[in-house]
Amino acid sequence: DAKTTQPPSMDCAEGRAANLPCNHSTISGNEYVYWYRQIHSQGPQYIIHGLKNNETNEMASLIITEDRKSSTLILPHATLRDTAVYYCIVRVDNYGQNFVFGPGTRLSVLP
Amino acid sequence: GAVVSQHPSRVICKSGTSVKIECRSLDFQATTMFWYRQFPKQSLMLMATSNEGSKATYEQGVEKDKFLINHASLTLSTLTVTSAHPEDSSFYICSADPGGFSYNSPLHFGNGTRLTVT
Repeated sequence: DAKTTQPPSMDCAEGRAANLPCNHSTISGNEYVYWYRQIHSQGPQYIIHGLKNNETNEMASLIITEDRKSSTLILPHATLRDTAVYYCIVRVDNYGQNFVFGPGTRLSVLP
Repeated sequence: GAVVSQHPSRVICKSGTSVKIECRSLDFQATTMFWYRQFPKQSLMLMATSNEGSKATYEQGVEKDKFLINHASLTLSTLTVTSAHPEDSSFYICSADPGGFSYNSPLHFGNGTRLTVT
C-alpha cells in the first residue's frame, strides 16, 4: 500500500472549516483514499473514501487532486466533538486488504 | 451501517492468566477480520489477519502461540492473549471487512478492548 504523509497536528476554531491535508504521491491507479478518525480510547470511525472524484457525505467532503497525489478532508463546521486523530490511508479496494495506519493528524478544535 | 461489536471493552487480569476478546460483525458477514494493537500515543499496528475456517496470518514479530486467533464463523473472531504479562497491556482493536469488490466496502472497526495486566 502507498505511504501517506500528514501533518502531526492542527488546530481549528469551533464553527470554522477544518481542512486536513494528506500527501500520497506514490498512489497507484487502483488505490482508494480512505479517511478515518479515532477519538480517544475508541476504535477508528470511518469518515469517507474516494478514488478520483470529489466526494461528500453527511460528515465531510473529500477533495482529491487531479493527479491523485494529494487529498484534503474538509469538516465544514468543526465542533469540539471533532477533536480526534485523523488518518488518511490508501488501499486497494479488494476484499481482504488490511489498512496500514500512519501516525495521522491530531486535530484540536478550540472553543 | 455496518456494526462491529467488541467485548469486553475493558479487562484487568493477573500476570500469567489468559484473556479472550470477542469481535462480532452484527449485521454483515465477514470472511476476513483483522486484529490491531495500539500502545499509548502510537498508531494502530496490525497483529494478524483472521480468516474464517482457516488459520490466521500473523505479522512479523507477533507470536502466534501467545495471541491465539479463532475465526469459527462468518460473524465472530476471537483473540486470546495467553499467559499475559504486563507488557501485553495495550488497546486491542478488531475490524471486519464487509467484503466484495464494492466501492462502498470500507473496513469497520470495533470500539477496542483496553487490556491491563497486573
